[in-house]
Amino acid sequence: DAGVIQSPRHEVTEMGQEVTLRCKPISGHNSLFWYRQTMMRGLELLIYFNNNVPIDDSGMPEDRFSAKMPNASFSTLKIQPSEPRDSAVYFCASSPIAGVDGELFFGEGSRLTVL
Amino acid sequence: GDSVTQMEGPVTLSEEAFLTINCTYTATGYPSLFWYVQYPGEGLQLLLKATKADDKGSNKGFEATYRKETTSFHLEKGSVQVSDSAVYFCALADIQGAQKLVFGQGTRLTINP
Repeated sequence: DAGVIQSPRHEVTEMGQEVTLRCKPISGHNSLFWYRQTMMRGLELLIYFNNNVPIDDSGMPEDRFSAKMPNASFSTLKIQPSEPRDSAVYFCASSPIAGVDGELFFGEGSRLTVL
Repeated sequence: GDSVTQMEGPVTLSEEAFLTINCTYTATGYPSLFWYVQYPGEGLQLLLKATKADDKGSNKGFEATYRKETTSFHLEKGSVQVSDSAVYFCALADIQGAQKLVFGQGTRLTINP
C-alpha cells in the first residue's frame, strides 16, 4: 500500500521566494497533520485537518504560512515569502480518525533550505 | 500545557549492550503514550504504545511501561543491534482518541559494531 507521499523531497530557494510543499495522505485517512522539524525546536505541529477542515492551526508560525486541504487526497503548505529561518524538514502525516490512538503515518519529509 | 521530556542525546552504545532512554511527561489528564522511531532519511514510524497505567508496550525487542506514579515511559531493549541506530521520540496524546501528539525533543542513538 502506498504511504504518505510528499513532494518535493528537497527544495532550495532564495529568501523572498514562494515555497509550496505538497502531501498526499493515505487513502481512507481522515486526519492530516503538518509538522516541522529543526535541530533547535525539535518536532512542532503546525496545523492539522479532520475531514479536510482545519482544526488547530495554533502552531503556524505567522501569516507567511498557510495550509489548505481542498480534498481528501491532497494538501499544501505554502510559505510566502520564505526566510532563512524557515529552513527545516517539513513532515506530513495522516491517520484515520477512528483509528488507533495516536498512530500517525508519516511521509519521508520535504527538506527546505532558504538561502 | 502538556509536555514530554526525554534524556539528552546523543547516546552511543556497543552492539549487544542494554539500552534505556528515559522519558517523563506532564499532562492534566490520562494520556496515551508512544515511542516513535526515525531512521536516517525517513519519516517517523510508531514503535510501540501504551494507553493506560501499567500497560507495557513492546515491539522489535523494545519495551516501555506506562508508570503513572512517576509519570514516566522509559524505553528499554536488552541487546541492541547496529540496525537500531536512529532517533527515538517519546510522545503523548492528551485526550483519549485524539490524534494530536506532543513529541519530546528526540534522542539520537548510535550503535557501534
